[in-house]
Order: sequence, then structure tokens, then C-alpha cells
Amino acid sequence: RKEVEQDPGPFNVPEGATVAFNCTYSNSASQSFFWYRQDCRKEPKLLMSVYSSGNEDGRFTAQLNRASQYISLLIRDSKLSDSATYLCVAILSGTYKYIFGTGTRLKVLA
Amino acid sequence: DAGVIQSPRHEVTEMGQEVTLRCKPISGHNSLFWYRQTMMRGLELLIYFNNNVPIDDSGMPEDRFSAKMPNASFSTLKIQPSEPRDSAVYFCASSLWSGLFRLAADGSQYFGPGTRLTVL
Repeated sequence: RKEVEQDPGPFNVPEGATVAFNCTYSNSASQSFFWYRQDCRKEPKLLMSVYSSGNEDGRFTAQLNRASQYISLLIRDSKLSDSATYLCVAILSGTYKYIFGTGTRLKVLA
Repeated sequence: DAGVIQSPRHEVTEMGQEVTLRCKPISGHNSLFWYRQTMMRGLELLIYFNNNVPIDDSGMPEDRFSAKMPNASFSTLKIQPSEPRDSAVYFCASSLWSGLFRLAADGSQYFGPGTRLTVL
């Protein structure tokens, strides 16, 4: 079983739609979580950190469920520019290691 | 800040040649990571350093790969000899930790633009 798992997609959604991605992690000792965005042929870039209480940044909402060991990303009012691959990241407690999921591909259609 | 700097951005070489990739982390960051990304295998962690010391190199594919971090502002990843299956995008990333396994307030990882390596 992979340490961080994501549905690879692609998720094809119309502009203006709301879309949600989930990511599960296997190690309950994981301490910190992030969502990254990667555009085609570019480097991954931080989208947002994920806090225990949940957090929002504009159209983006991230949530953490430690009991079920998953994190989620909700995108409201999708834009064409949101088309990218979204990578879920967990840091293992007691390490400096960032564990990346394989990513979920999103395509927002006009 | 200039961000993480990598060079070269593109490298085309022939099988058997030595390849050296370079990375300058964000000033003040104390951890540095080398990743490789391919369509088939996704993003793979090769090795990471904390305070210039290699901590985990279990992701290095084989002895042909080596990495060094002689000081806080420079790291290299060397492949010798290179093979066609090494073709990939190699990313360097850096982050800040405030103590032993304690993430700094902004402990997110910042990536360089990558080096696209093609081995013919």
C-alpha cells in the first residue's frame, strides 16, 4: 500500500463547478499536510497547508480527518486556470521526509 | 528571494557520460531534497539532507547516483555513467525546520524549476 494515495483522475468539470479531491495516508503518525499544484512541465508549487481545524483560502478549502486518515481539497467556482495536477503531501513524524501522492489531474472545461 | 535555483535547465547527453546537476537552495533553508519525476513513476524522492548532512538516501536508484552538499548553499547530484532510463525531470527542493524533526512555521517545501535530462 502506498503511503499517500490519490485518485489519479482526470476529473473533467465545467467552469463554475465545485470539485473535491480526497487523499488518504497510511501512517497515523504523519504530522503535517499540504496540497501542491503542478502545471504541465513545471515544478510543484505550494497551494496550501492543511490544518487540523480546516482552512480556507479564497475558493479553496482544505480539511484534515485524522480519525479516517484523509485530507481533502475543495475548489469552488472552478476556473479554466485551475486545470492542473493536485498533489497531496504528508510529512512522517520523526523524519524530514515529505511523502507525495501521485497526484489528481483536474481539467476545467469551458 | 530568488527561490531554489537549478542548473542546467536542460541536459542532453549520451549513454555512458557523466551528468552533474546543481542546486542552490533558498537562503536560510536547512533541508534540501532531490527528486526525480517521470510519467510512469511520478515524483520519487532520491535523497535529502538536513544541515548539509545526508539523512536518507534510500531512494537513490543505484551506485551510479551520488549526491553531495558541501555547504548550505550548494548541492550536486551526479550520475555516472548515465543510462537512457535515467531520462527524467530532476527537481531540487528546500525547506526550513526549526529543530529536530520540528517543522518551521512556514515548513512547506519549495521546488526549483527542474532539470530535464535526456540520455540518448
